[in-house]
Amino acid sequence: DAGVTQSPTHLIKTRGQHVTLRCSPISGHKSVSWYQQVLGQGPQFIFQYYEKEERGRGNFPDRFSARQFPNYSSELNVNALLLGDSALYLCASSLGSGAPRSQYFGPGTRLTVL
Amino acid sequence: RKEVEQDPGPFNVPEGATVAFNCTYSNSASQSFFWYRQDCRKEPKLLMSVYSSGNEDGRFTAQLNRASQYISLLIRDSKLSDSATYLCVVRGMDSNYQLIWGAGTKLIIKP
Repeated sequence: DAGVTQSPTHLIKTRGQHVTLRCSPISGHKSVSWYQQVLGQGPQFIFQYYEKEERGRGNFPDRFSARQFPNYSSELNVNALLLGDSALYLCASSLGSGAPRSQYFGPGTRLTVL
Repeated sequence: RKEVEQDPGPFNVPEGATVAFNCTYSNSASQSFFWYRQDCRKEPKLLMSVYSSGNEDGRFTAQLNRASQYISLLIRDSKLSDSATYLCVVRGMDSNYQLIWGAGTKLIIKP
């Protein structure tokens, strides 16, 4: 079975632009979480979705938004990009009933904002 | 104070040696604990869960000390392939039970 997949793998944007990142969870997993990992730090939680509903939101500005589709795939959108948004964006899926015991990550999307 | 703290390292260790690192957490009500491994520019991968009684998986042993609020990871007979960053993860006790991550400890195994 395929693991968590993310697209694109790399992305370069300029300040002020908008970006959409995509994630497909492991088959059968209904929960998707998004994390931002800045170089040298651990992942920081952004959002969790379960059964197409937002179950959790981290301390990120409203420029960050996400949604989950009926097939449980998910998109993360970031508006008005800032230099500080440059990071590895990780998507994780879990069977989860809203309380992830452990998560399995995709390879991430590396976003560079110039 | 950070919710989950780790020594960033790097720990430079000769192949075959035993190495241990700790992680401290601030919320005494935390329930679940994990160690993840992350290779350079790759995604984190679950190494092992940490149980109250301690647990072992091959060369890896994880311990939990609730009284002192720390978890540890011991790696015996270290291999070159163990070189990676080890991330301590705690499941929070907020309403969403989200995972809270340490910044990681970098381990370098030298031949």
